[in-house]
Amino acid sequence: GAGVSQSPSNKVTEKGKDVELRCDPISGHTALYWYRQSLGQGLEFLIYFQGNSAPDKSGLPSDRFSAERTGGSVSTLTIQRTQQEDSAVYLCASGISGGASTDTQYFGPGTRLTVL
Amino acid sequence: SQQGEEDPQALSIQEGENATMNCSYKTSINNLQWYRQNSGRGLVHLILIRSNEREKHSGRLRVTLDTSKKSSSLLITASRAADTASYFCATPDLSGSRLTFGEGTQLTVNP
Repeated sequence: GAGVSQSPSNKVTEKGKDVELRCDPISGHTALYWYRQSLGQGLEFLIYFQGNSAPDKSGLPSDRFSAERTGGSVSTLTIQRTQQEDSAVYLCASGISGGASTDTQYFGPGTRLTVL
Repeated sequence: SQQGEEDPQALSIQEGENATMNCSYKTSINNLQWYRQNSGRGLVHLILIRSNEREKHSGRLRVTLDTSKKSSSLLITASRAADTASYFCATPDLSGSRLTFGEGTQLTVNP
């Protein structure tokens, strides 16, 4: 079946503009994660959705970042008033049941965001 | 600092040689996972080792876990040029809501 997909694959924007990044998880996966990876770095956790529970937003770096997940499937990560330090690859992952202690996370190809 | 820290940061070997990468972590874990990333894009899960396991094999991969030293190693035997990638260890937090990744080892296998 299809894997996790993300769009766009690349996004170039000007400082101060808002951007929306989309993630389509694997069908049937209840857990969805967003991570950010700066150049040459490891992944930084941003937010976690599990079913209908309130999301874990503790990794969001500022209130300019928000995410939602509609209908328990597609998720959108929104960055308002982008800054140059927001430039990174944004990776989405989904898991069968949530609870990363036992779940394998399946990653999408990422969206490379460049803020000029 | 990172929960998982890999060393070396970069490793360059010849095809056919073995590659060993190490990972250290700081807190108690239920399991430790290794991922591979090609060209800075999506990650692929390689192997998961549980805290009550000491060694696990999958094809040419061998993972060890020493919970007393809070360390793990990933061994790739008989490496191939196609193994060239970044390798990350990751540990779940106890709530199970996230993985914490190290900064990775960049492996280059020269043909």
